[in-house]
Amino acid sequence: GQQVMQIPQYQHVQEGEDFTTYCNSSTTLSNIQWYKQRPGGHPVFLIQLVKSGEVKKQKRLTFQFGEAKKNSSLHITATQTTDVGTYFCAWPNMEYGNKLVFGAGTILRVKS
Amino acid sequence: NAGVTQTPKFQVLKTGQSMTLQCAQDMNHEYMSWYRQDPGMGLRLIHYSVGAGITDQGEVPNGYNVSRSTTEDFPLRLLSAAPSQTSVYFCASSYSSPTLTEAFFGQGTRLTVV
Repeated sequence: GQQVMQIPQYQHVQEGEDFTTYCNSSTTLSNIQWYKQRPGGHPVFLIQLVKSGEVKKQKRLTFQFGEAKKNSSLHITATQTTDVGTYFCAWPNMEYGNKLVFGAGTILRVKS
Repeated sequence: NAGVTQTPKFQVLKTGQSMTLQCAQDMNHEYMSWYRQDPGMGLRLIHYSVGAGITDQGEVPNGYNVSRSTTEDFPLRLLSAAPSQTSVYFCASSYSSPTLTEAFFGQGTRLTVV
């Protein structure tokens, strides 16, 4: 069956350092979304990637979708304390009628 | 717009009790979903609806029932609560399939079963 791993599970960085989280799938994905959840909050949509090799930027955030559409990453340049939270990738899962399912998430903590 | 509203925000149940988690959206979205969030496991899809009168099961449907009598409301029923159902529950809605468009989440219901 389809398996998607999100790594790392947890990362603690110094403010100003960069941060990257990855989602790696065993099968080709039709698209992938990224969400951010602040501590105690709810997931908030960040972006959707659809095309092979797609790269999108939102200020200090860079999102990539691999050429084979099996991998995706979210990179934050020069982290700030406002970046703290859990970052999730999400994708249509064929085992559940293409419903949106989520990765385990990467928890980001930033030391100031 | 209120967006997606979930009630209650917190609930403590005893094992065997039943209850309904409420979810309402005012964005006229056809698609609504329920997820549970447990530490280290991300969000897992419980049930899903593509419109009034239509529901479907997700990854972890056992112990939960849903119905969708109106576009606005999508309640989640716990039939006989178990400690394994202690979790944070999120309701989400989207204009079209959430695999194609942004999903909007409610604030969550933190449920403890003792």
